[in-house]
Amino acid sequence: DAGVIQSPRHEVTEMGQEVTLRCKPISGHDYLFWYRQTMMRGLELLIYFNNNVPIDDSGMPEDRFSAKMPNASFSTLKIQPSEPRDSAVYFCASSSRATATDTQYFGPGTRLTVL
Amino acid sequence: GNSVTQMEGPVTLSEEAFLTINCTYTATGYPSLFWYVQYPGEGLQLLLKATKADDKGSNKGFEATYRKETTSFHLEKGSVQVSDSAVYFCALSDNRGSTLGRLYFGRGTQLTVWP
Repeated sequence: DAGVIQSPRHEVTEMGQEVTLRCKPISGHDYLFWYRQTMMRGLELLIYFNNNVPIDDSGMPEDRFSAKMPNASFSTLKIQPSEPRDSAVYFCASSSRATATDTQYFGPGTRLTVL
Repeated sequence: GNSVTQMEGPVTLSEEAFLTINCTYTATGYPSLFWYVQYPGEGLQLLLKATKADDKGSNKGFEATYRKETTSFHLEKGSVQVSDSAVYFCALSDNRGSTLGRLYFGRGTQLTVWP
């Protein structure tokens, strides 16, 4: 299996621009997670989906952030408008029939820099 | 609620030294416990896990034992190598319906091993 695929791997944009991050989970996995990692705040869960339905979006920082999962093989995280404080590494992860024992598989991340 | 506390880093060791990274947890149910590792420029990957009290997870020479009485899951390795240099995350997952599938991560501990 190819693992979790994220694109782009690096994104540099200017403040105020729209940014879209993409994720393809492992085939057959029914949970998908978006995380953000910064030096200051560590690893934060932003939102997660089960069977394409958002379960918990309490970690989404504010209305500038939105996430969608139109089908089982694709999800997007959008920031509009972007701000310098959004600069971070964004990870997508997926898991299968999540119980307490299931493992989350992480993608390589997207490093976002907002100038 | 659920939370994980792990020792502050960074940890710096010489090759072949003994490693311990402390991790304690708070959980409302009966969690499973995990150690993830993040190598430079990569996403997190599962290192080991334990699903019930007194279980020992092990992988690549690393071990951790699920201690319910002390709510701990300390990571140990008898002889570290330069290639073990990475950030290590302790995490828990519980069975509760409202948070099914979610992982709760510690802040991470940076390990650097010198030759």
